[in-house]
Amino acid sequence: KQEVTQIPAALSVPEGENLVLNCSFTDSAIYNLQWFRQDPGKGLTSLLLIQSSQREQTSGRLNASLDKSSGRSTLYIAASQPGDSATYLCAVRTGANNLFFGTGTRLTVIP
Amino acid sequence: DTAVSQTPKYLVTQMGNDKSIKCEQNLGHDTMYWYKQDSKKFLKIMFSYNNKELIINETVPNRFSPKSPDKAHLNLHINSLELGDSAVYFCASSQYHEQYFGPGTRLTVT
Repeated sequence: KQEVTQIPAALSVPEGENLVLNCSFTDSAIYNLQWFRQDPGKGLTSLLLIQSSQREQTSGRLNASLDKSSGRSTLYIAASQPGDSATYLCAVRTGANNLFFGTGTRLTVIP
Repeated sequence: DTAVSQTPKYLVTQMGNDKSIKCEQNLGHDTMYWYKQDSKKFLKIMFSYNNKELIINETVPNRFSPKSPDKAHLNLHINSLELGDSAVYFCASSQYHEQYFGPGTRLTVT
């Protein structure tokens, strides 16, 4: 059974710092991996989707990497801003319609 | 022009009642989902559904049933509500495997 873990569970950084969030999964037979952000009391917003054949995806200040063989993904956020404060979730797809979520990393960017 | 919408946003009800949560997507996606987010913020898939196939997570009690009147809607019916059903329920849709989520429905069972 697929298990997805995110480390750290919570992270506080001063504004302007670059940071890395980690995601690991136990079964490397995945279709893709998706990073989301969730603001308090809100739904999930998709940030980046990496197909199993890809190594990374970039969107603005965000860069996500995928190492399928080792069961790891990282989300790199450059020049962090207070508006980046949220919970970040990674999710892996196994099978046609099965999505497993990680436990999330709660990020606080201090002005 | 909301992509995935849910109603109601908040739902407070008593144990034993039957309730429904509605979900609509205007993205033209083929597949829709229901997720449950518990008090520890852990998200778990409950159902995935397209016009051909319903896939049920085996851990979901049969008091929960998805109903799809058409491709753009997937409603969640819950019978005989229990205290442990209190959670935030998210609807989502996908095409080519990228998922788009609704804003969530916070269900409180008293």
